[in-house]
This record gives sequence, structure tokens and C-alpha cells, in this order.
Amino acid sequence: KAGVTQTPRYLIKTRGQQVTLSCSPISGHRSVSWYQQTPGQGLQFLFEYFSETQRNKGNFPGRFSGRQFSNSRSEMNVSTLELGDSALYLCASSLTQTSGVYEQYFGPGTRLTVT
Amino acid sequence: AQTVTQSQPEMSVQEAETVTLSCTYDTSESDYYLFWYKQPPSRQMILVIRQEAYKQQNATENRFSVNFQKAAKSFSLKISDSQLGDAAMYFCAYRSYSGNTPLVFGKGTRLSVIA
Repeated sequence: KAGVTQTPRYLIKTRGQQVTLSCSPISGHRSVSWYQQTPGQGLQFLFEYFSETQRNKGNFPGRFSGRQFSNSRSEMNVSTLELGDSALYLCASSLTQTSGVYEQYFGPGTRLTVT
Repeated sequence: AQTVTQSQPEMSVQEAETVTLSCTYDTSESDYYLFWYKQPPSRQMILVIRQEAYKQQNATENRFSVNFQKAAKSFSLKISDSQLGDAAMYFCAYRSYSGNTPLVFGKGTRLSVIA
């Protein structure tokens, strides 16, 4: 079974631009979560989607948004990029968002550099 | 809100030796899951081991085992017979059993393995 895939793997953008990152979960997984990883702040939760509905949202400004499609694929968008948005963006999928077994499987990440 | 603390930013171990990584957490819940994730230099985060809070028995996965002390809110990871491939960032994470809150990560411990 294929793992979580993220595209693109690397991205360089200019301050003020916007960017869209894509995540394809493991087949059959309906929950997708997004994280921002930086050396200073570590792993910070962005949002979580389950069956096209946002179930949880982290403490990030409104410039960060996301969505999930009917095939469980997810995208996140960052508008008006700032230098501080430079980070590794990780996507993780899991089989279910309900209680019980909850193991997240991570993708390789998208390295975003804002200049 | 739940918090996860990893007090050792960096650790090193000789090849074939044993090392223990520490993790403490704070929660008012009684049912939850705890995880250790490994992130090698290639950046793909992988699940190492999982512990359900309602289980008294410590989880083990081959050379990896945990010491789960629920009353002390401690969840340490022991790596036996350390191998060069164990070198990575290790993250401790918490998830409530209800699944209504996102995965909460510690800041991580960077483990070096010395040949």
C-alpha cells in the first residue's frame, strides 16, 4: 500500500505570494492532519480534516487554510507569505478520527522557503 | 490543555549500548494514547511505539520498549542494542482517547549513535 504523498517536496516563494500544498493520504484513510515544523517551535498543529470537515484547528492566523476533498486528498493554502512561514510542512493520515486506535502516518513533507 | 515535555534536547549513545529518552506529559484525562515517533535525517516521520493509558503493561517493539508511569505522567523510551540507524529526532506525543483533540508533540530529542 502506498504511503502518504506530499507535493511538491520543495518550494521557494517570495514574501507576499501565496502557496498551495497537497497531500494524498494512504488509501482508505479518511483523516488528514497538517503540521508545521520549524527548528525553533518544533511541531505545531495546523488543522485536521475528517470526511471533508475540519475537526480541529491550531493556533495559526487566518492566512493558513485548508480543505479536504471527497477522495480524502487534502490541500493547505498559505496566503500573503511571510519569512516566518519558512518551514517543513508535514501531512499525516489516519484510518479514523473517532476514538480508539489512532495512529498517524506521516508524509515526507514539503520544504517551503520564503525569501 | 495537554502538554508534552522532553527535557533532553540531545543525547548520544555508543553503538550496541542502551539509551533511555525521557518524556513527561500533563493531562487531566484518564484515557489517552502515548506515542514515540522517530524522524531520521531523511525527514520521514515514523511511528516507533504506542501505549494505551488503560494498559498497565509496558509496550515493546523489538529493541524499543517504554516505561509508562501513569501516576507520574512519565513515558520514557528505551532503545536496546543501539544501531547507527537509530540516529534521529525522537518525538513523544499525546492523544486523548476521545479523538477530539489533535496529537500533541514534545519538542523532540536528537539522538546520536557513536560507532
